[in-house]
Amino acid sequence: TQLLEQSPQFLSIQEGENLTVYCNSSSVFSSLQWYRQEPGEGPVLLVTVVTGGEVKKLKRLTFQFGDARKDSSLHITAAQPGDTGLYLCARKRGNTPLVFGKGTRLSVIA
Amino acid sequence: GAGVSQSPSNKVTEKGKDVELRCDPISGHTALYWYRQSLGQGLEFLIYFQGNSAPDKSGLPSDRFSAERTGGSVSTLTIQRTQQEDSAVYLCASSQKAQNTGELFFGEGSRLTVL
Repeated sequence: TQLLEQSPQFLSIQEGENLTVYCNSSSVFSSLQWYRQEPGEGPVLLVTVVTGGEVKKLKRLTFQFGDARKDSSLHITAAQPGDTGLYLCARKRGNTPLVFGKGTRLSVIA
Repeated sequence: GAGVSQSPSNKVTEKGKDVELRCDPISGHTALYWYRQSLGQGLEFLIYFQGNSAPDKSGLPSDRFSAERTGGSVSTLTIQRTQQEDSAVYLCASSQKAQNTGELFFGEGSRLTVL
């Protein structure tokens, strides 16, 4: 059972363009995390969102947590080649281990 | 060390052989996790250890998979009688404790190829 749906699965854009990727579930999250994974490396945490409706910004990245805490989005403004990677969302429910989505593979072309 | 260390970084083995993958977590982190990442897939939870509590083995795909954590630090994931479908990157992560919002720190993974 895929508890977290991420879309799109793949995204290839030109440098300077904006993009949004999504993470959805039918279940309520207690918290949600976004990670970025570059080739040959492990995922690295970008942000944790906890409160419904929460918006967090990390330079050109804007993360939003849905009001009902069932979905989240990541918006990148003026994408750079260094943004290339696999973006993974992961949800926590109680004391269960983090459950990850399949990720969105982003390629930013210079 | 400063980060999570995994070894070997690459392992090629023949079908039917046993393999051991090692993880050395960040010092002081009480929670340790093993995930598997197959080509084009997200991370699949395998097992996690929290302090001296019994490990959560709910993600292990078969009884060929086992893991132990000695002295609350280093962990070894063992796959017996490997199959081709076991080919994947095995990622280890640690965190200070299994908090609701705890950050997981990942190693670079061990890439396993079963021929």
